[in-house]
Amino acid sequence: GAGVSQSPSNKVTEKGKDVELRCDPISGHTALYWYRQSLGQGLEFLIYFQGNSAPDKSGLPSDRFSAERTGGSVSTLTIQRTQQEDSAVYLCASSPEAANTEAFFGQGTRLTVV
Amino acid sequence: AQKVTQAQTEISVVEKEDVTLDCVYETRDTTYYLFWYKQPPSGELVFLIRRNSFDEQNEISGRYSWNFQKSTSSFNFTITASQVVDSAVYFCALSEARGFKTIFGAGTRLFVKA
Repeated sequence: GAGVSQSPSNKVTEKGKDVELRCDPISGHTALYWYRQSLGQGLEFLIYFQGNSAPDKSGLPSDRFSAERTGGSVSTLTIQRTQQEDSAVYLCASSPEAANTEAFFGQGTRLTVV
Repeated sequence: AQKVTQAQTEISVVEKEDVTLDCVYETRDTTYYLFWYKQPPSGELVFLIRRNSFDEQNEISGRYSWNFQKSTSSFNFTITASQVVDSAVYFCALSEARGFKTIFGAGTRLFVKA
């Protein structure tokens, strides 16, 4: 596709369940980022992938959060044993090179934990 | 540590007014990059500008202009003759050249009334 695609666009889950959020970056983009945006808040950095390098996981809020990127393309963010405070919009972005270039964002996945 | 502060949470103006969105940043690096993004009601962030720390020239793009001042660690954004379509949340962001994490401010919500 022409842009960054995220699925699902909306997800409602029960507290304690695991969820997987998917991101399809722009073809050829080597860098991929996940951010979290809570209601009315800024963007909180979660994790960054660059090519085959080890990801920068420094923003993951707890060990319930993990992410992988297969084949340097699609990425999945997994949240285990979801809590209500995990409710937010999860944004994925990709860029052609490193973080100091323009990032292209998807429309996000709105996660609601009930 | 990196930090981006957007002190204005919400701004409301009437169409055709000029408006300036403030951004103050903190970094210990001498090489870094600053960004502005727009998040319209649809939710997808749109890149507006990138500026590196060695280029303090102000930039103008149509009704948009940016004032970068290293002496005050500020990167302010002005919209001239605002329009209703400018209504959005605007984020300022900072990326250090040696790392890959881009830090965003909390955003400023701009309302432009007809």
